[in-house]
Amino acid sequence: EAQVTQNPRYLITVTGKKLTVTCSQNMNHEYMSWYRQDPGLGLRQIYYSMNVEVTDKGDVPEGYKVSRKEKRNFPLILESPSPNQTSLYFCASSRGQYYGYTFGSGTRLTVV
Amino acid sequence: EDKVVQSPLSLVVHEGDTVTLNCSYEVTNFRSLLWYKQEKKAPTFLFMLTSSGIEKKSGRLSSILDKKELFSILNITATQTGDSAVYLCAVPGGTSYGKLTFGQGTILTVHP
Repeated sequence: EAQVTQNPRYLITVTGKKLTVTCSQNMNHEYMSWYRQDPGLGLRQIYYSMNVEVTDKGDVPEGYKVSRKEKRNFPLILESPSPNQTSLYFCASSRGQYYGYTFGSGTRLTVV
Repeated sequence: EDKVVQSPLSLVVHEGDTVTLNCSYEVTNFRSLLWYKQEKKAPTFLFMLTSSGIEKKSGRLSSILDKKELFSILNITATQTGDSAVYLCAVPGGTSYGKLTFGQGTILTVHP
């Protein structure tokens, strides 16, 4: 089944403790992206990647890192999480930037 | 700055009603506009529109794009309670090649 898999689905962590949210797709898509969704603010793009080793900042990149060492994986790294990063995170992939995106099931992160 | 604005933000109707959701955009280098439906979890893809004036249809849902006036509408006829969701409009590209800008979403509630 074609899908984008994110893990974990839920995560509660403490301020400052590094964490990684994994994202993997099995559709051979070149384009991958991370979003956070907050009430009243909608979906905002954090980082995106056009292909292996090609990444760039979206609208809200501060406090996040990404890497794209393989086509299928695009992990999101929070080096020192803070409470304002408490949010619902989505990974998405697409065969091209202007096409429909397939979203992962989301990761609900709480930083206390 | 790229902008996507949806209206209304919230809509409450009864089953059987017809609804029209609006999405206006100001995005440089426009190529396509995407509609998504989001229930409790990840957004699911509905339509991709690239050409002005050509209606896309899927069952009771239809959508059309007006590239001259920079907007799109999503119509849902004979609404059902299962149509209750957040409907998101997104436009790829813009000021940065890999960017994807979402509107705030329209929360549709359909009462029996």
